[in-house]
Amino acid sequence: EVQLVESGGGLVQPGRSLKLSCLASGFTFSNYGMNWIRQAPGKGLEWVASISSSSSYIYYADTVKGRFTISRDNAKNTLYLQMTSLRSEDTALYYCARLGDYPGITHFDYWGQGVMVTVSS
Amino acid sequence: DIQMTQSPASLSASLGETISIECRASEDIYSNLAWYQQKSGKSPQLLIYAANRLQDGVPSRFSGSGSGTQYSLKISGMQPEDEGDYFCLQGSKFPFTFGSGTKLEIK
Repeated sequence: EVQLVESGGGLVQPGRSLKLSCLASGFTFSNYGMNWIRQAPGKGLEWVASISSSSSYIYYADTVKGRFTISRDNAKNTLYLQMTSLRSEDTALYYCARLGDYPGITHFDYWGQGVMVTVSS
Repeated sequence: DIQMTQSPASLSASLGETISIECRASEDIYSNLAWYQQKSGKSPQLLIYAANRLQDGVPSRFSGSGSGTQYSLKISGMQPEDEGDYFCLQGSKFPFTFGSGTKLEIK
């Protein structure tokens, strides 16, 4: 069974940093691209960042570019999101999601339960 | 960025009714379109990908169609467990973008 379990969230002051983790199990993690997607309270979904299976390709939303860093450790089956210079508008539930493997089609086929990040003084 | 315009924002349907939700892309997304269901307090669940391919385990009353810039999700015979929020996702170009969502309720 595919499982994605996020951790590392919490309450943080504006301008500070936080690192999220997503532990994957039930599939060969090193074969799949991975993503972070967030959802502000009561709002829709916003794609944040993507990383390819070997970390060769990395993409970010403009809203986080230069502040957030996506990375992965395939030996530990873990995806990361290092968040710096946090702002109140980064307050959201952060999901990690696996990239589906249908050729040429981007979709997120499995999602974690999400981890809450609250940026407030 | 590709804008995804989703409609309606909310919908109320009777049990057994057939409903449709639409997503219009601001440019051709070449069927790179997925649909998700999100129930209250839960993470999104994939229903449809590549515009019309049913994800494993998803009931056959869900179907997707469309091409170019116009896509739709149809539920043929509303069931109580279909209540929730529905989102479309375009995966044609970075940044990937979601529709604003449709809240589906039982009438």
